[in-house]
Amino acid sequence: GAVVSQHPSWVICKSGTSVKIECRSLDFQATTMFWYRQFPKQSLMLMATSNEGSKATYEQGVEKDKFLINHASLTLSTLTVTSAHPEDSSFYICSASRNRGNEQFFGPGTRLTVL
Amino acid sequence: GQQLNQSPQSMFIQEGEDVSMNCTSSSIFNTWLWYKQDPGEGPVLLIALYKAGELTSNGRLTAQFGITRKDSFLNISASIPSDVGIYFCAGRYNFNKFYFGSGTKLNVKP
Repeated sequence: GAVVSQHPSWVICKSGTSVKIECRSLDFQATTMFWYRQFPKQSLMLMATSNEGSKATYEQGVEKDKFLINHASLTLSTLTVTSAHPEDSSFYICSASRNRGNEQFFGPGTRLTVL
Repeated sequence: GQQLNQSPQSMFIQEGEDVSMNCTSSSIFNTWLWYKQDPGEGPVLLIALYKAGELTSNGRLTAQFGITRKDSFLNISASIPSDVGIYFCAGRYNFNKFYFGSGTKLNVKP
């Protein structure tokens, strides 16, 4: 149990376009989902926390208009990188929790490359 | 602000050796998690700790929640090549966000 999927696993896009990344909890209902960003050889940086049916809570320094998060159901959250630029290139990882955040289960990550 | 220090940053060991790594925080936590991440993949949860002094094992892995609630340790016994990867600790207080350590890169020589 506790399997989280992400789609796509990698994406290459042109500068100025928008990219949507999906995060799904496959065998449990996730009350809370988290979105992280990870640079090479670095730790995970929390971008935002989202609870089903409510607005996401963004960490300081993360632009909510640039990184749109939707958590429409207990099994799906999406992150949309709007008007992507090369500096947005990174490894984006989601995690899901079924118990108010105790025990986070991570997805496999999405490698975004913006040309 | 909250600081979480993980050490060592990297380790080079011989297959069969035991490994120990730890995390310390500047404030108390009531949850500690340990993850392993392989290149290009998401972290995989290894062990979760919820109580000060708790000692929990998962196969050859053993983790402890420090008595002071400001530290946690992960031990790997009889390491094997597939133990190679980056190990992260994560901790939090109540239902606040998790703070992640900077990671320990483990290299195992066959």
